[in-house]
Amino acid sequence: AQKITQTQPGMFVQEKEAVTLDCTYDTSDQSYGLFWYKQPSSGEMIFLIYQGSYDEQNATEGRYSLNFQKARKSANLVISASQLGDSAMYFCAMRAEGGANNLFFGTGTRLTVIP
Amino acid sequence: GAVVSQHPSWVICKSGTSVKIECRSLDFQATTMFWYRQFPKQSLMLMATSNEGSKATYEQGVEKDKFLINHASLTLSTLTVTSAHPEDSSFYICSARDGREIQETQYFGPGTRLLVL
Repeated sequence: AQKITQTQPGMFVQEKEAVTLDCTYDTSDQSYGLFWYKQPSSGEMIFLIYQGSYDEQNATEGRYSLNFQKARKSANLVISASQLGDSAMYFCAMRAEGGANNLFFGTGTRLTVIP
Repeated sequence: GAVVSQHPSWVICKSGTSVKIECRSLDFQATTMFWYRQFPKQSLMLMATSNEGSKATYEQGVEKDKFLINHASLTLSTLTVTSAHPEDSSFYICSARDGREIQETQYFGPGTRLLVL
């Protein structure tokens, strides 16, 4: 079974600073994918970034980067140059490759960007 | 990224009525769609996996006769909450898997807030 753990219920960051949101996972699968989604107050889930378990390089998408440490089973999201619009809930999710391919979500971290 | 729409975004209904929620993939075909439920300040809970042309696969504890799912085409899945009760009030959100991508990202609709009076 897959399990995603986000230990930070809430985080604060100063505008223009960088912030790291933690995510650890547990799985017995050899092949899996890790995702981060952003959920603003409107409720929509916005895909941010993906990391495959066999990818040797950390994924990057604009201001988002994923610090993937496979041996430690962690997939932390780093947001650089925080903006006020980054204030939202952030969910880490994992998908085992093959089978139904459904996502397992963590409990989320609420990020607040302070002006 | 791919676009998924969901309709309606808000619905208020009386107890005992049925409510249908539509989920559409607008610019890609999705053989698999997923339905989630989210309570306030909680994470997403998978309700069922919707497969085009076949029966949905429900997660443990989800009543299939209560939450009817129909995936009639490659771009449309519907969730019908039958005989809704106040405890069914929640945020329902669908996603569709984009098979064109190597990582087959799940893209989400904007969600539907259901309030049963």
